[in-house]
Amino acid sequence: KNQVEQSPQSLIILEGKNCTLQCNYTVSPFSNLRWYKQDTGRGPVSLTIMTFSENTKSNGRYTATLDADTKQSSLHITASQLSDSASYICVVTPNDYKLSFGAGTTVTVRA
Amino acid sequence: DGGITQSPKYLFRKEGQNVTLSCEQNLNHDAMYWYRQDPGQGLRLIYYSQIVNDFQKGDIAEGYSVSREKKESFPLTVTSAQKNPTAFYLCASSTGRTGELFFGEGSRLTVL
Repeated sequence: KNQVEQSPQSLIILEGKNCTLQCNYTVSPFSNLRWYKQDTGRGPVSLTIMTFSENTKSNGRYTATLDADTKQSSLHITASQLSDSASYICVVTPNDYKLSFGAGTTVTVRA
Repeated sequence: DGGITQSPKYLFRKEGQNVTLSCEQNLNHDAMYWYRQDPGQGLRLIYYSQIVNDFQKGDIAEGYSVSREKKESFPLTVTSAQKNPTAFYLCASSTGRTGELFFGEGSRLTVL
């Protein structure tokens, strides 16, 4: 069973609107939690990385939050742009080299 | 520019053939990884290498082989023993276990 669950599986938003993606995990212990953006047919690119002691991390219009007690993370996209259309992947790093990847949330931004 | 280069971008293979995917990095990273991505699933680890001349099996190593003779290179061979090889393959590298993971642009393998 996948130890990282993302929701929703996909969503459509209008340009300029905000959205929030969810990530629940059961990996324990863990070193850090990462969010990646993957354009169709391309490799993932890092957006944020948080250790278990951090609550929030921002990268431009992307803000990630982490609640290590409830094992939940979210990625908030502010004032969405057409270029935000992509898959967003939550990744949890345990205490070895075998990272746990969520299946991703596909975001489509429409004009 | 520093980064990871995967080749080829697209590859077609007939059943029964072995194919090798190339992965080169100039980031001076010790750790390198191969992942497989299928629709609707998270990335799955095939093999990883923490250091030159050493590599470990991941969760789905059957039907695959790797080598790590140089720090910069980590080629993946998809053998005929892999029952369902059609997928998108991603190579990555990092400075260590918790370091940021940098990905290549991927190689899409299709078995005809």
